[in-house]
Amino acid sequence: SAVISQKPSRDICQRGTSLTIQCQVDSQVTMMFWYRQQPGQSLTLIATANQGSEATYESGFVIDKFPISRPNLTFSTLTVSNMSPEDSSIYLCSVDGGGGTDTQYFGPGTRLTVL
Amino acid sequence: AQSVTQPDIHITVSEGASLELRCNYSYGATPYLFWYVQSPGQGLQLLLKYFSGDTLVQGIKGFEAEFKRSQSSFNLRKPSVHWSDAAEYFCAVGAWDSSYKLIFGSGTRLLVRP
Repeated sequence: SAVISQKPSRDICQRGTSLTIQCQVDSQVTMMFWYRQQPGQSLTLIATANQGSEATYESGFVIDKFPISRPNLTFSTLTVSNMSPEDSSIYLCSVDGGGGTDTQYFGPGTRLTVL
Repeated sequence: AQSVTQPDIHITVSEGASLELRCNYSYGATPYLFWYVQSPGQGLQLLLKYFSGDTLVQGIKGFEAEFKRSQSSFNLRKPSVHWSDAAEYFCAVGAWDSSYKLIFGSGTRLLVRP
């Protein structure tokens, strides 16, 4: 399976600021995904990012709040904009396993606290 | 709509005892089913997956799961739990809507008594 890294691993941010989270994969992948895990909760898909096209957002998530870039087949960023304490969560990226397996492999996550 | 239910929020077992974590899904077609484990402060690690074929699937760390279509279940089992198995376990179904995505259950936190 792919090796996935995320930066930063954690951060504490002030209300109203923005944070960009990076996701790097050690091999080329078609699809990358961004999930949010609110405290004590399960994972919710924010958006799917394919290289060379606009990200596809799930209901309840908008591009102005969570802009995503996917400049190549090994890298993606998620920005959390104009943050509020409600954005305090773990943000995880995942990648598809390739070969039509429909299996996703996850990065270690970014733990965000907004004060 | 697709959904996954994990009815047990917490489960406590003694080290060496057997374990079964429950998962029920709702999905119209043949599901792709997954179990992931999340240790404290870590990301998710894939334990096992079911796509088709043999309904009893083997995974890593001695885990197995059985797909039962008639019960819409995909329960995770381990014959003998180790202290290092203490973690959060998530069941997920792979679903095609406008795009492909994983839908996760709410998770079950496993505590292991020494």
